[in-house]
Amino acid sequence: DTAVSQTPKYLVTQMGNDKSIKCEQNLGHDTMYWYKQDSKKFLKIMFSYNNKELIINETVPNRFSPKSPDKAHLNLHINSLELGDSAVYFCASSPLLSNEKLFFGSGTQLSVL
Amino acid sequence: QKEVEQNSGPLSVPEGAIASLNCTYSDRVSQSFFWYRQYSGKSPELIMSIYSNGDKEDGRFTAQLNKASQYVSLLIRDSQPSDSATYLCADWNSGGGADGLTFGKGTHLIIQP
Repeated sequence: DTAVSQTPKYLVTQMGNDKSIKCEQNLGHDTMYWYKQDSKKFLKIMFSYNNKELIINETVPNRFSPKSPDKAHLNLHINSLELGDSAVYFCASSPLLSNEKLFFGSGTQLSVL
Repeated sequence: QKEVEQNSGPLSVPEGAIASLNCTYSDRVSQSFFWYRQYSGKSPELIMSIYSNGDKEDGRFTAQLNKASQYVSLLIRDSQPSDSATYLCADWNSGGGADGLTFGKGTHLIIQP
């Protein structure tokens, strides 16, 4: 019954590797997001997708690429991981194009060694 | 660049007292304001939203908005140990291609039994 689910919960990997985080929502929402929360708990938007169209792309490195096979899924691919990528990544969804009320997934703790 | 400012705390409040959390925002055209609660190791959860000047009450929580002063606050009455968490203030506006919610860095609240 989980509304927004993301996997894996923990991801430990070496620098230079490529990894993916998956996200699925069963709320019927039209918009999905990826947020990054750094070690100081600062939560910052990375991407949002509406009906499989990228509508926001913050100034994140192009090593990060969101992919949405359908409106219930938004996966995050990260190439050539760097130490600074270590953070908690949250997937979220919202019922309106105006992302006023977010429903967050449980987060993925990424540790790059 | 839009900013949302919060005192990071920790803010320590005795059980049963009123906890007062404050937030200021830089974008005068912001239209919507939110308080999210985040327990340690968990994802943010929306607890209050406010759109117009004045007070909005929901149970033990009261959100206050003063657009002239660009100030938002959250009052928690009869504080309980279970209220101990980080509280994230966020704002949103629809102008110029919404760039998502802008979060503050959060205030860490500790309710002392």
